[in-house]
Amino acid sequence: DSGVTQTPKHLITATGQRVTLRCSPRSGDLSVYWYQQSLDQGLQFLIQYYNGEERAKGNILERFSAQQFPDLHSELNLSSLELGDSALYFCASSVMGGGLNEQFFGPGTRLTVL
Amino acid sequence: GQQLNQSPQSMFIQEGEDVSMNCTSSSIFNTWLWYKQDPGEGPVLLIALYKAGELTSNGRLTAQFGITRKDSFLNISASIPSDVGIYFCAGPYSNTGNQFYFGTGTSLTVIP
Repeated sequence: DSGVTQTPKHLITATGQRVTLRCSPRSGDLSVYWYQQSLDQGLQFLIQYYNGEERAKGNILERFSAQQFPDLHSELNLSSLELGDSALYFCASSVMGGGLNEQFFGPGTRLTVL
Repeated sequence: GQQLNQSPQSMFIQEGEDVSMNCTSSSIFNTWLWYKQDPGEGPVLLIALYKAGELTSNGRLTAQFGITRKDSFLNISASIPSDVGIYFCAGPYSNTGNQFYFGTGTSLTVIP
């Protein structure tokens, strides 16, 4: 158990809908990262927050957005969902925002768009 | 974006054999991390490397940070069935604002 929690574990929805994925980092970690992993693909970095502020941005679609709240939990919002958005979405956390980046991953949310 | 290429893409080995895999980049990385992912689960950090030439062990696993800072190697000795999974290298690339990149992965199958 990494100490990172993600909810829900599974999510099934229809095209065009909007969903919110939630992540709670390990106790003491200030940085949260979001990743997308499609079937048989590697992990694609989406976005990073550090202590409430956006720190780095990867290949995140404009339909997707994220935020980190004062209690350091984070939410990833996916809107106007398409079939191709079906994937595993992972959250990771680390103590620091840059440099030494030992990231610890949550169990993931499996999103299925029908 | 940056590409971290891992080889081999997949490996099928007998239990007890040693395993070697590597990760290469076209750019210099200052940190290399190795993760293992089981199907449907989140990646688990195995080893972290912070200095060129560094050699670090974690049980039967040994990883090295290449001298050129463009590659890293992971070795598993005396493989066991629970070593099965996908192994990823990863690292932050500072030239793109600390975006974090994962390698293409090496799938390991251990035959009992």
